[in-house]
Amino acid sequence: ELKVEQNPLFLSMQEGKNYTIYCNYSTTSDRLYWYRQDPGKSLESLFVLLSNGAVKQEGRLMASLDTKARLSTLHITAAVHDLSATYFCAVDISYSGGSNYKLTFGKGTLLTVNP
Amino acid sequence: DVKVTQSSRYLVKRTGEKVFLECVQDMDHENMFWYRQDPGLGLRLIYFSYDVKMKEKGDIPEGYSVSREKKERFSLILESASTNQTSMYLCAIGRLAGFTDTQYFGPGTRLTVL
Repeated sequence: ELKVEQNPLFLSMQEGKNYTIYCNYSTTSDRLYWYRQDPGKSLESLFVLLSNGAVKQEGRLMASLDTKARLSTLHITAAVHDLSATYFCAVDISYSGGSNYKLTFGKGTLLTVNP
Repeated sequence: DVKVTQSSRYLVKRTGEKVFLECVQDMDHENMFWYRQDPGLGLRLIYFSYDVKMKEKGDIPEGYSVSREKKERFSLILESASTNQTSMYLCAIGRLAGFTDTQYFGPGTRLTVL
């Protein structure tokens, strides 16, 4: 059974600081996704990481994937209040060419950026 | 823009009622999914469908059933609602394996069972 663990689950940080959210998973996969959820809203796709060493950046967020370590990171640079949200990673292991795929999600990291 | 709509944003039902949640997409994606989201538990997959009339159980299918009669619609059915089914329900869509798209989520339905 695939397990996806995020840490920390809660993160309170000051504006202007840097921090990293970690996503570990238990089974071989080279497809990992990051999502953002604002309070009361649905999930919005942030990054799709499809191979070992993949790195994607958007604004103050950068995501990377190390498939050998079964680890993805979401790095926040110079945090601003607008980044306050819950961040989820999700792993896909059913990419063998079958007709369906499904994601297993981490429990999410609630990020609060304080002035 | 991807559009995934859900029939209700908020729903209040009584224990024992039959509840229908509907999800409609306009992207012609093959896969459709139903998740529930609870605090501290993240998203858990209830059922998914990869084609019309096809369905597969997810991680927590007990107490739920689904229906997919048309490609664009995927319904989640609570045959006899119980209080432990109070939750946020999220529908998502995706393409077949082999594509690299992410899943796209609907706005969610917050269901309260009294």
